Amino acid sequence: TQLLEQSPQFLSIQEGENLTVYCNSSSVFSSLQWYRQEPGEGPVLLVTVVTGGEVKKLKRLTFQFGDARKDSSLHITAAQPGDTGLYLCAGAQDTGNQFYFGTGTSLTVIP
Amino acid sequence: GAVVSQHPSWVICKSGTSVKIECRSLDFQATTMFWYRQFPKQSLMLMATSNEGSKATYEQGVEKDKFLINHASLTLSTLTVTSAHPEDSSFYICSASVGLYYGYTFGSGTRLTVV
Repeated sequence: TQLLEQSPQFLSIQEGENLTVYCNSSSVFSSLQWYRQEPGEGPVLLVTVVTGGEVKKLKRLTFQFGDARKDSSLHITAAQPGDTGLYLCAGAQDTGNQFYFGTGTSLTVIP
Repeated sequence: GAVVSQHPSWVICKSGTSVKIECRSLDFQATTMFWYRQFPKQSLMLMATSNEGSKATYEQGVEKDKFLINHASLTLSTLTVTSAHPEDSSFYICSASVGLYYGYTFGSGTRLTVV
């Protein structure tokens, strides 16, 4: 059972376009992370959000945690080929130290 | 920052043989490590949680006799794929939690190809 559903699953856009990836759940999370993974490598942490409604920016990437802490979004402005990769959200619940990974979004930015 | 080293990065083995994958935490102690399997362009599938000094906890559908996990020290966990078959070919990744806020730090993964 996948607690976190990401959409879209696949996304192919032209360089310079904007995009938003969504991470949705019916469960509440104490914290949520976003990772990017390049082929043949392990995922790399991009950001952690812990407060409902929190917005964090990382250069052209904007992350938002939903008010109810059940969902999150990742917005990329003016996408570049270097943004290509698999984006994963992961949420932690109050009990235990396990994170639950989302279904993943594979992004391809075409030069 | 916390670093997890995974070795080997790729391995090709013959059907029926066993393969061991190592996962080391280099600058911190990891009482718990996680092992994942991943198919191309798909998310991580948790296989098992490796606990130092005790038996691993396997996810439903993962054969514990097929995927042997040993976590004998605070810095090393190993995954052994026993009697490997072509359907075991996949990308295997380990990780360790460095706290609920800091998330996971991942190894670089192991590409296993069984021929």
